[in-house]
Amino acid sequence: AQKVTQAQTEISVVEKEDVTLDCVYETRDTTYYLFWYKQPPSGELVFLIRRNSFDEQNEISGRYSWNFQKSTSSFNFTITASQVVDSAVYFCALSEAQVETSGSRLTFGEGTQLTVNP
Amino acid sequence: GAVVSQHPSWVICKSGTSVKIECRSLDFQATTMFWYRQFPKQSLMLMATSNEGSKATYEQGVEKDKFLINHASLTLSTLTVTSAHPEDSSFYICSARSPAGNEKLFFGSGTQLSVL
Repeated sequence: AQKVTQAQTEISVVEKEDVTLDCVYETRDTTYYLFWYKQPPSGELVFLIRRNSFDEQNEISGRYSWNFQKSTSSFNFTITASQVVDSAVYFCALSEAQVETSGSRLTFGEGTQLTVNP
Repeated sequence: GAVVSQHPSWVICKSGTSVKIECRSLDFQATTMFWYRQFPKQSLMLMATSNEGSKATYEQGVEKDKFLINHASLTLSTLTVTSAHPEDSSFYICSARSPAGNEKLFFGSGTQLSVL
């Protein structure tokens, strides 16, 4: 069975601080996808990143960066120089790679509520 | 702009009534859509996979007769909560998968259901 654990329920930082959101996953699949989504107060989920299990290169997109460590089954997300608008719930998710059969069924972590204070 | 439209955003209903929630893909045809449920401060739990032109696939523990899913066209899936009860109060959110070759999922804005 697949499982995603986001141990940090809530994080509060002051604007301009860097913050890292942890994600640890469990799967028996050798090929899988990992995702991060942002859920602002409006409720809509916003796609941030998708990472294939064979691609362990770290990725940077503006103030966002992701550290994929297959050896520790972790896919951590760092926001540099956080801003108030970054306040949201962030979800890490895992899906099987058999896209056509799984239909992109996602297993979500519990989410981390990030609050960035001015 | 949003590529998946979900309606209504919120609904309040009396216990025993049925509520229909619509999920539309605006910019693409979605053969597969997904329905999730989210309790306050909790994660999203997949309820069912909606397949255009065929029966939905429900996750274990989800009552098929209570949560009716219809995917009659390539751009519309509906979730009907039948004979709603207060314990059905939750945030329901749909997602649609973009065309094959792209693992990207687009999510609707969600529907907050409150059953009195």
